[in-house]
Amino acid sequence: DAGITQSPRHKVTETGTPVTLRCHQTENHRYMYWYRQDPGHGLRLIHYSYGVKDTDKGEVSDGYSVSRSKTEDFLLTLESATSSQTSVYFCAISEDGYSGYTFGSGTRLTVV
Amino acid sequence: AQSVAQPEDQVNVAEGNPLTVKCTYSVSGNPYLFWYVQYPNRGLQFLLKYITGDNLVKGSYGFEAEFNKSQTSFHLKKPSALVSDSALYFCAVRDENQGGKLIFGQGTELSVKP
Repeated sequence: DAGITQSPRHKVTETGTPVTLRCHQTENHRYMYWYRQDPGHGLRLIHYSYGVKDTDKGEVSDGYSVSRSKTEDFLLTLESATSSQTSVYFCAISEDGYSGYTFGSGTRLTVV
Repeated sequence: AQSVAQPEDQVNVAEGNPLTVKCTYSVSGNPYLFWYVQYPNRGLQFLLKYITGDNLVKGSYGFEAEFNKSQTSFHLKKPSALVSDSALYFCAVRDENQGGKLIFGQGTELSVKP
C-alpha cells in the first residue's frame, strides 16, 4: 500500500528465536500500530505508538516488544518466538488518530 | 468496555441483489465507526467512516453504511452486489482512550455468486 511498507512479507522461524518485523512509512504520520490477524479473532492490537519513543501496549502484548526511534519506523520484536505467535501481522498508520488507518500489506510469520 | 460485533461469519448473496453486512457497537460516548475490506492476501482497505452528521455514509466502490444510534448499529450496504465484492469485511470502532486505537469486529466473509 502506498506510503507504508512491511518487511519481510513472509518469514519462517524456529521456536525460541527472536524475530523483528519492520514497518516503514513515508507519510510522516504520528500514530503507528501493530495488529495480528487470526481466524475467528479479527484483528487484535499488539502495541501502538503515538510519537517517537512513545509506545503503549495493546490487548495481546505479552511476548512482544516495540521500538520507534524515528517517525518513519516502527519495529515489532518477538523476544522468543512461540508457535502461538504464528499469525499474519499488520502494521497501520494514522495521521491524527481520528481519520482511520492505512494498512500495510502484512507479514505472514510461521513459527515451527 | 467498548466493543464491536459482527453477528454473521458469512453472508452469501447473488450478483445483482442488494447486500447487507451487519455491525453493532458498544461505546459510552459518541462513536467513530469504520468499515474496511480485505481481499485475499492483501492488507485492509478503508471503505467509509462515520464521525458525525448524516446517518447515511457513502464510501468507496458503491458501498454505504447506515448509522442507527438507537439500535447501536452501523450496517454496511450496497444496492447491487458484484462478484468482485467477495472479500472479508471488518467493522471497527475508535477506542475512546488515547492513541486512536481501533477495535475490530471478527470479520464477515462476503460471497457473491454469479
